[in-house]
Amino acid sequence: DGGITQSPKYLFRKEGQNVTLSCEQNLNHDAMYWYRQDPGQGLRLIYYSQIVNDFQKGDIAEGYSVSREKKESFPLTVTSAQKNPTAFYLCASSISGYTSTDTQYFGPGTRLTVL
Amino acid sequence: GENVEQHPSTLSVQEGDSAVIKCTYSDSASNYFPWYKQELGKGPQLIIDIRSNVGEKKDQRIAVTLNKTAKHFSLHITETQPEDSAVYFCAASVSNTGNQFYFGTGTSLTVIP
Repeated sequence: DGGITQSPKYLFRKEGQNVTLSCEQNLNHDAMYWYRQDPGQGLRLIYYSQIVNDFQKGDIAEGYSVSREKKESFPLTVTSAQKNPTAFYLCASSISGYTSTDTQYFGPGTRLTVL
Repeated sequence: GENVEQHPSTLSVQEGDSAVIKCTYSDSASNYFPWYKQELGKGPQLIIDIRSNVGEKKDQRIAVTLNKTAKHFSLHITETQPEDSAVYFCAASVSNTGNQFYFGTGTSLTVIP
């Protein structure tokens, strides 16, 4: 069964703690993406990776970090430097990160709440 | 960079009626326009897409039209059903700049039985 998995579905953390969100895909896609979704603001790009061992900042990268050591995995760390981390986080992937007409497929999301 | 605007932000229709959601984009080099449906608490699901070399695409009750001159594209849902109730997002991708998507702010569609 192919697709994108994100875990956990819900995550609670205390203010000041770093937290890592998992994203795994078995679609053999080269490119992966992390988005943040807040009510009424659509999806905003945090980081993206077009190929293993390489990644670029998106529009709102401050306070976040990523790694891409394996093709199928693209974990996102929300650091204590992120001022408003409570949000719904979405991971996506596409066949290529270089072709503008490739569809992005999304995972089910992780809702992070910082207490 | 590309800017995508989406209207309306909320839309209510009676079951069986049609629904239309409109998006405009700013970069004339945009060449791919997907539409996503997002149900509460879930990730967005692609429902239809269109490339810039096509003016219209249809898939059963769903259609998308593209006007490159005016730089706008629209989602049309006919014979709406209660299960069509969700948030719909449009997006645009710019040619020769990789695969970065620029999303609209979403339309919350409610189909009233």
